[in-house]
Amino acid sequence: AQSVAQPEDQVKVAEGNPLTVKCTYSVSGNPYLFWYVQYPNRGLQFLLKYITGDNLVKGSYGFEAEFNKSQTSFHLKKPSALVSDSALYFCAVRAFPSGNTPLVFGKGTRLSVIA
Amino acid sequence: SQTIHQWPATLVQPVGSPLSLECTVEGTSNPNLYWYRQAAGRGLQLLFYSVGIGQISSEVPQNLSASRPQDRQFILSSKKLLLSDSGFYLCAWSGLAGQETQYFGPGTRLLVL
Repeated sequence: AQSVAQPEDQVKVAEGNPLTVKCTYSVSGNPYLFWYVQYPNRGLQFLLKYITGDNLVKGSYGFEAEFNKSQTSFHLKKPSALVSDSALYFCAVRAFPSGNTPLVFGKGTRLSVIA
Repeated sequence: SQTIHQWPATLVQPVGSPLSLECTVEGTSNPNLYWYRQAAGRGLQLLFYSVGIGQISSEVPQNLSASRPQDRQFILSSKKLLLSDSGFYLCAWSGLAGQETQYFGPGTRLLVL
């Protein structure tokens, strides 16, 4: 079975400081990993994904994530947080080979960036 | 480019009334389609997914049902709404391969009173 854990319900950082939102996963086989962001009363927006290759993945809005196979982690990072980054962030996983199976999502982490 | 639409955006319904939420995708063919529910701005609960017309997989037993009458149309229904059906309903689509991203619609806010 596949699963995703986001150990922090909430993360608070000061504007301009680096931010990290943590994600660990469990799959049988190799993972496809995704990060999404959700603003209030909106659908989820895709940020980035890891499929294969370089462990450091760059995505939208200056976000990046590092795939660490030994720690089964895929933490989301940004060097300098903006107030506008405040939102709900979801990590998701699908195992390879997976065929037509839905993504498995974590419970979400609420990021608050304080001015 | 592909776009996904959901309507209505907001819905207030009395307990016991029927429900029909619609989702359509443009700019792609033979997509995988998904219905999720999100309660209280937190985690996502997968309700149904479909890999083709008339093919529906149900993830959670409840009073909701889904149908896919056309390739790019996915409908969520209920014959009698419960208070617990209130929430934010999200439709998503993806391509067929495992590495494909799921793309979400804008959502429908349902309040059952």
